[in-house]
Amino acid sequence: DAGVTQSPTHLIKTRGQHVTLRCSPISGHKSVSWYQQVLGQGPQFIFQYYEKEERGRGNFPDRFSARQFPNYSSELNVNALLLGDSALYLCASSPGTGGYYEQYFGPGTRLTVT
Amino acid sequence: AQRVTQPEKLLSVFKGAPVELKCNYSYSGSPELFWYVQYSRQRLQLLLRHISRESIKGFTADLNKGETSFHLKKPFAQEEDSAMYYCALSGHRGSTLGRLYFGRGTQLTVWP
Repeated sequence: DAGVTQSPTHLIKTRGQHVTLRCSPISGHKSVSWYQQVLGQGPQFIFQYYEKEERGRGNFPDRFSARQFPNYSSELNVNALLLGDSALYLCASSPGTGGYYEQYFGPGTRLTVT
Repeated sequence: AQRVTQPEKLLSVFKGAPVELKCNYSYSGSPELFWYVQYSRQRLQLLLRHISRESIKGFTADLNKGETSFHLKKPFAQEEDSAMYYCALSGHRGSTLGRLYFGRGTQLTVWP
């Protein structure tokens, strides 16, 4: 298993545009979480999905949305991009939603908004 | 509110010296606590968690509920320990269930 995969690796967008980031979890993992990591800070929780349902949402505006597909892969969508959305977006998968589960991280997608 | 504080942004030691990376947390209840590590050009990965009480790569971390701390320690640092270290907590209920709250990270450099 290649582990958690994310695409694309890098992305450059202009303010006001829309972006879609993709994540494929480890085989057998049903939970996917998204994190935003701004330079110099630790990752910040955006969303968690389990069995295609949203199980948690962090303190992010409604411009951020996500979904999980029947094969447990996930998309993160961001509308009306702002300069402040420039960050590394991390996806993590785990077998379940409990706090004791280890989360396995992907390599991230580097988003630059100009 | 949940919070993880890592007071040191940068930490440098010489090879063979002891190292301690500090982590303090605030959480109403009993959280799960983790240390994640990111080596250069690699993805974020779990180093250890308090519930397993393991020693990984010579590192240990003890949960001190009185001081709400979860410091990471290693008696003899190695050059390959140079990396970014993140302390994180996760809750067991409600909005905190399964989500990780990270500190800002400590960049550890071990000099030869």
